[in-house]
Amino acid sequence: EVQLVESGGGLVKPGGSLRLSCAASGFRFSNCIMNWVRQAPGRGLEWVSSITSSGSFIYFADSVKGRFTISRDNAKDSLYLQMNSLRGEDTAVYYCARDSSCSPHENDYWGQGTLVTVSS
Amino acid sequence: QSVLTQPPSVSAAPGQKVTISCSGSSSNTGNNYVSWYQQLPGTAPKVLIYDNNKRPSGIPDRFSGSKSGTSATLGITGLQTGDEADYYCGTWDSSLSVVVFGGGTKLTVL
Repeated sequence: EVQLVESGGGLVKPGGSLRLSCAASGFRFSNCIMNWVRQAPGRGLEWVSSITSSGSFIYFADSVKGRFTISRDNAKDSLYLQMNSLRGEDTAVYYCARDSSCSPHENDYWGQGTLVTVSS
Repeated sequence: QSVLTQPPSVSAAPGQKVTISCSGSSSNTGNNYVSWYQQLPGTAPKVLIYDNNKRPSGIPDRFSGSKSGTSATLGITGLQTGDEADYYCGTWDSSLSVVVFGGGTKLTVL
C-alpha cells in the first residue's frame, strides 16, 4: 500500500521556522520526483517545491525562494521541507506528493497533509 | 491568477456527462504531461489522470483525460452525487521550471 505521511506542522510566530517531514512507503521512493504543495484555507493548490529522485535538482516557487529548503534522504524514504522566515501568507495545509508519473500507478500519490499556522 | 485556466464551476444532473477544460501554453500543457486531481471536501487531492490520459488503478473508466494542443480536458460520465468535488489540472512549465496548477473547478451534481 502506497503511503505518504507528513508531520511537523503546527503554530509558529511570524519570522519563525518549522521543519516538515514526509515518510514514504509502498513504492520505490528513490526513483520518484517528490513535491511539496500547499493549500491555504479556502484556496486552490499552490506548488511549493520539487526535488528530483537523486536530489540533484531542486525547484522552488518564487513565493518561498530563499526562505524554504527541500531535501530528501533516500536511505530513510523521507522528504523534508525546512521553512524559515515564515509569514502569515505561508499559513496552509502542506502536502507531500510523489510525481504523478511515478509508479506504482495507484493512489495515494499525496499525503493527508499537515497544517502550518503562522500567527502571533 | 493561475498559469492554467479552468472554469470556476460546472454543473450537471446525475447520470449526465461533464467536461472540464484546462488551458495553458506551449511551455506547460502544450509540451508536458497533464495530470488531473480530484479533491473531495475536507480531503487530500487524489490523482484521477496522469500522463494526459492514463488512469491509476482503482479510478473508474467514467473518468477520462485528453489533450489537444495547449488544452487538456477531463471528462466525467455517469455523474454521481459523490463526484461533487474540486478538480484541478497540473503540469510542469518548462520555461519557468515550476509546477503549475489550474485554479480549480467546482463540480456540482444537481
